[in-house]
Amino acid sequence: DTAVSQTPKYLVTQMGNDKSIKCEQNLGHDTMYWYKQDSKKFLKIMFSYNNKELIINETVPNRFSPKSPDKAHLNLHINSLELGDSAVYFCASSLGRTGGADGYTFGSGTRLTVV
Amino acid sequence: AQSVTQLDSQVPVFEEAPVELRCNYSSSVSVYLFWYVQYPNQGLQLLLKYLSGSTLVESINGFEAEFNKSQTSFHLRKPSVHISDTAEYFCAVSEPGGSYIPTFGRGTSLIVHP
Repeated sequence: DTAVSQTPKYLVTQMGNDKSIKCEQNLGHDTMYWYKQDSKKFLKIMFSYNNKELIINETVPNRFSPKSPDKAHLNLHINSLELGDSAVYFCASSLGRTGGADGYTFGSGTRLTVV
Repeated sequence: AQSVTQLDSQVPVFEEAPVELRCNYSSSVSVYLFWYVQYPNQGLQLLLKYLSGSTLVESINGFEAEFNKSQTSFHLRKPSVHISDTAEYFCAVSEPGGSYIPTFGRGTSLIVHP
């Protein structure tokens, strides 16, 4: 059983399109996150939800909108895609509010390519 | 604010040789420290962590890391690597009592040659 699953694994789309990435965790964790990993492997947090409540919203263009229908799901919708949005997007979850001592469980990533 | 420096972007090594991946952090308070491993086309997996107590922590697959407060380091070591250890390794630091959100280093690519 996959603990944190993301779909799709690969996404190739044209500039200007709108796309969504879905994430689900079956660990019973309270908190979920979206991270962006750029071409140089740098990991940057984008958003965090704790029990459907947005608790972290880093400096991210408002074209990116997270949605958490319940604590097991956190989706990421991106409007008007730009070339610079090309990256690997990771979903993660943690037991506590911000990970704390437990660390994170990551999904396997969604490789987004904007052409 | 916390920060993490992984000095080596790439570490090539032959199979069965020892390896050390370096991690230095900057923080004004006490910290939690983590090492994550990312195998090709996969997400990050927690390898080991230091929270408090013994400064030497070990993983189940033979890696160990030592917390050195005076040198603000948390280097990862393995006495004998396998081909299957080829992966990207990320060091991360978080501040208990603060936001807890970890800051990740830029990763070190460990390449094990036969």
